[in-house]
Amino acid sequence: DAKTTQPTSMDCAEGRAANLPCNHSTISGNEYVYWYRQIHSQGPQYIIHGLKNNETNEMASLIITEDRKSSTLILPHATLRDTAVYYCIVRAGGSQGNLIFGKGTKLSVKP
Amino acid sequence: DVKVTQSSRYLVKRTGEKVFLECVQDMDHENMFWYRQDPGLGLRLIYFSYDVKMKEKGDIPEGYSVSREKKERFSLILESASTNQTSMYLCASRQGDYGYTFGSGTRLTVV
Repeated sequence: DAKTTQPTSMDCAEGRAANLPCNHSTISGNEYVYWYRQIHSQGPQYIIHGLKNNETNEMASLIITEDRKSSTLILPHATLRDTAVYYCIVRAGGSQGNLIFGKGTKLSVKP
Repeated sequence: DVKVTQSSRYLVKRTGEKVFLECVQDMDHENMFWYRQDPGLGLRLIYFSYDVKMKEKGDIPEGYSVSREKKERFSLILESASTNQTSMYLCASRQGDYGYTFGSGTRLTVV
């Protein structure tokens, strides 16, 4: 079973920031938080990942709470093309194991 | 950018046929994965490989086999296709702790 909890769906107005929450209360010290998204009929796309510190790249920012039990993915200026299912996944660093995808959050960006 | 290429976008096969799904990555990644994705069930891992000629069963390996003769190519084989194998098949590759890169997927219909 997935080790994360996400809302089933969210709406966001175009041009506004989209803040997608994720709970991972049983996360272990060596587990990273990964975010992927899947636009309809395409393969999942890697967005960002982090261990303890907040991370930012050209796509998004990842804010991880100090106790690491939850995180938020921020899309600073959402566009219609950001409409997708967003998956939050925890995975141990250095492991050979696979990603376990939960159901994710369906983000709908509206004009 | 890493590219993961799946040989077919759409495929229709008959029950009982042997089906080969091919996946090629161009960045010398060690780890490669095959998932299937079904509505309401999310992504489920079929097989993965962390080196040439190495393979590991995922969560749902029954009815499938894999082949990894070269580092860049990971093939999924349906020995005798059945209608319950109608699905979207996704290949992915990964190097170390970096994110997975997924292909665009193959939508297989078994009739």
